[in-house]
Amino acid sequence: EIVLTQSPGTLSLSPGERATLSCRASQSVSSSSLAWYQQKPGQAPRLLIYGASSRATGIPDRFSGSGSGTDFTLTISRLEPEDFAVYYCQQYGSSPPLTFGGGTKVEIK
Amino acid sequence: EVQLVQSGAEVKKPGESLKISCQGSGYTFTNYRIVWVRQMPGKGLEWMGNIYPGDSNTRYSPSFQGQVTISVDKSINTAYLQWSSLKASDTAMYYCARGGGYSDYWGQGTLVTVSS
Repeated sequence: EIVLTQSPGTLSLSPGERATLSCRASQSVSSSSLAWYQQKPGQAPRLLIYGASSRATGIPDRFSGSGSGTDFTLTISRLEPEDFAVYYCQQYGSSPPLTFGGGTKVEIK
Repeated sequence: EVQLVQSGAEVKKPGESLKISCQGSGYTFTNYRIVWVRQMPGKGLEWMGNIYPGDSNTRYSPSFQGQVTISVDKSINTAYLQWSSLKASDTAMYYCARGGGYSDYWGQGTLVTVSS
């Protein structure tokens, strides 16, 4: 089972600032099969990024994903008020289980 | 419009059985796996398992194998998650979502509370 470790646990930033979230895998994620989700309180997760760097339909271009192998990054170029939420990475390149990281909370400073 | 609509919140006692549902619409239901994801109170997302409605092929996480059963009725575009004997530790929000890899559409979640 591939273990995903997200850091930091909490990121305290102001609107307009840049957010950089990390997701590290315990072994290489094949074919860059890494997704990112956003979850706000009381809501279901929303797909942001798949294939490590492809934005899902309707996702603003301030969200970008990068990385390969064991190290992946989600960057939010300029935080908008609606971006404060919890973010999860997920790998789907290996046999089940398809695992999630523990999450990074982006909170208003 | 793709939609996944889940059944409503449940309150059960330990030892009781339960089956919750997830109905898909707006797409060809048999073409996409349905995954179930657990989120315990205040915690992260856990991948439980998925099912391919076309042939009912099912895959489970080792953590949930034997603890739950995932099934499907493709005649009514509905997937199910069921327990034969609930425990207090099953208290959580359960989401269904579309996709065998990443999940692009999610249900609204079903809150299951198990308490004596």
